[in-house]
Amino acid sequence: KQEVTQIPAALSVPEGENLVLNCSFTDSAIYNLQWFRQDPGKGLTSLLLIQSSQREQTSGRLNASLDKSSGRSTLYIAASQPGDSATYLCAVSRGVKTSGSRLTFGEGTQLTVNP
Amino acid sequence: GAGVSQTPSNKVTEKGKYVELRCDPISGHTALYWYRQSLGQGPEFLIYFQGTGAADDSGLPNDRFFAVRPEGSVSTLKIQRTERGDSAVYLCASSSNRGTEAFFGQGTRLTVV
Repeated sequence: KQEVTQIPAALSVPEGENLVLNCSFTDSAIYNLQWFRQDPGKGLTSLLLIQSSQREQTSGRLNASLDKSSGRSTLYIAASQPGDSATYLCAVSRGVKTSGSRLTFGEGTQLTVNP
Repeated sequence: GAGVSQTPSNKVTEKGKYVELRCDPISGHTALYWYRQSLGQGPEFLIYFQGTGAADDSGLPNDRFFAVRPEGSVSTLKIQRTERGDSAVYLCASSSNRGTEAFFGQGTRLTVV
């Protein structure tokens, strides 16, 4: 059974700092990995999708890397801003025919960026 | 539509009642997923539809939970004889095909009192 772990559970940083969120998964047979952002009381916003054949993806100040063999992904946020405060969730998909893009999620990292 | 739409956004019901939660996926998306998220946890998979059929319902916790997608678009999650432990946010997601990016709705917050 796939298990996804995110470290740290919570993180508080001053504005402008670069930071790294970590995600690990136990079964390396994944199809892709997605990072999401969730604001309080809201749904999930997709940030980055990395296919299993890729090593990283970038979008603006965000960079996500994937090391499938070691079961790890990191989300790097450059020059953090108060507006980045949210919970960040990592999820992996096995992608088999019967389960489509069924995602297994970590419990998230709650990020607070202080002005 | 422009995004995944879920209604209602909030639902309060009494223990033992029946509820229906609706999901309207992105137009043209053939894959639809339901997840349940408890406070402080990541979402947990409930059921996956490919078109009209439930391809994987292994995440449904018991037979009080049922979901349909009769025309391959809108889906309804049905919960019978609700219990206080069913209180959670129910999230719906859709994707254009197997293995592609999933887009989530805003969720329905269900509270069973």
